[in-house]
Amino acid sequence: QSALTQPASVSGSPGQSITISCTGTSSDIGAYNYVSWYQQHPGKVPKLVVFEVTNRPSGVSNRFSGSKSGNTASLTISGLQAEDEADYYCSSYTSSTPVIFGGGTKLTVL
Amino acid sequence: QVQLQESGPGLVSPSETLSLTCTVSGDSISNDFWSWIRQTPGKGLEWIGRVYSTWTPNYNPSLKNRVTISVDTSINQFSLNLSSVTAADTAVYYCARGYDRIDSWGQGTLVTVSS
Repeated sequence: QSALTQPASVSGSPGQSITISCTGTSSDIGAYNYVSWYQQHPGKVPKLVVFEVTNRPSGVSNRFSGSKSGNTASLTISGLQAEDEADYYCSSYTSSTPVIFGGGTKLTVL
Repeated sequence: QVQLQESGPGLVSPSETLSLTCTVSGDSISNDFWSWIRQTPGKGLEWIGRVYSTWTPNYNPSLKNRVTISVDTSINQFSLNLSSVTAADTAVYYCARGYDRIDSWGQGTLVTVSS
């Protein structure tokens, strides 16, 4: 099964909002509400920022929000800050694997 | 707070078997799903497989013929074996808690496949 599709890079200025998309199929994102998003700073371990499409773990800023429409999930970061510059990965439960990741998106804060 | 620590050789010869162990502290390994994930240098994440107590493990189909994950509840550890490795298996290997929602990760261990 192919990886979920994410844009290679996105950018935004401090204070702005950005959205990262994650496109799958009717066998993964479209079928289940088990989409997670991870933030990974260079040389660091991935950190869970959104789970089950819209939920935030305790301690994660409410500037991070998730959504889903059809086969595409999205992560929105509002009030962009320099510390948000990182790689972001989506993942989804699937009917076969049972977990698949996206290829990752590099967020640059201008 | 749960902590995970990977251990094992950092260098494996081509065609040999990669073996890693994850030691879990702060949580009983019988209570959750546990996964192995890898990340190739400069690239993305790849889920390898998961285990839960005595259930049959689940593996990524792309690796299924080469991978075995086992758990030892008596010492709160789970392990990864990946056979017939090639240079393409060079990666940072993470052990983690969960599978669809991974809330705790080990620090990761770089395994290089080279002669």
